[in-house]
Amino acid sequence: GESVGLHLPTLSVQEGDNSIINCAYSNSASDYFIWYKQESGKGPQFIIDIRSNMDKRQGQRVTVLLNKTVKHLSLQIAATQPGDSAVYFCAERGSGNQFYFGTGTSLTVIP
Amino acid sequence: EADIYQTPRYLVIGTGKKITLECSQTMGHDKMYWYQQDPGMELHLIHYSYGVNSTEKGDLSSESTVSRIRTEHFPLTLESARPSHTSQYLCASSEQTGVPEAFFGQGTRLTVV
Repeated sequence: GESVGLHLPTLSVQEGDNSIINCAYSNSASDYFIWYKQESGKGPQFIIDIRSNMDKRQGQRVTVLLNKTVKHLSLQIAATQPGDSAVYFCAERGSGNQFYFGTGTSLTVIP
Repeated sequence: EADIYQTPRYLVIGTGKKITLECSQTMGHDKMYWYQQDPGMELHLIHYSYGVNSTEKGDLSSESTVSRIRTEHFPLTLESARPSHTSQYLCASSEQTGVPEAFFGQGTRLTVV
């Protein structure tokens, strides 16, 4: 299956700073990517998505950037808040429309 | 908030027992998935379904089985639980067309002793 991996397993940021979480994927044919947030004891929740025909997509305080040349995805969180502390996964939609997930980055926001 | 439900949330069971993890969604989604997730690790796809009477194995080999008799229901069964099955099991669903994002349930944390 496709391989989706994250560069950093943990990330600590000061409250109010911007956070950047990175993700590498291996299947250049993947056409759709999602960032999920998973809080302790809960299932992953959708944050933002991007299709392969786009380079950037913005949501509320979050921006996803897609670089297809190097098969790299990033999630930027502006003005990080304590409630943003969670594990963040990127996922790609591969052949057969399954979603493949990376290892996850644990984000800790320091008050 | 996603309308997808998993029961039980937590289960501790002895080796050799048969268990069924329930998953139901009220969104009318055709696609449903089961993922296995160990603490601090990625999600591994173990089963998926495109619709009623459709079931496929995912990338991670699993001794579990699934069935899809109704659109809204996608139960996962372990015929004989073993300690190696201890993990969190996450169910998800998505539309066949349109917005393809997957909605997740809260998960079932299974411990086999």
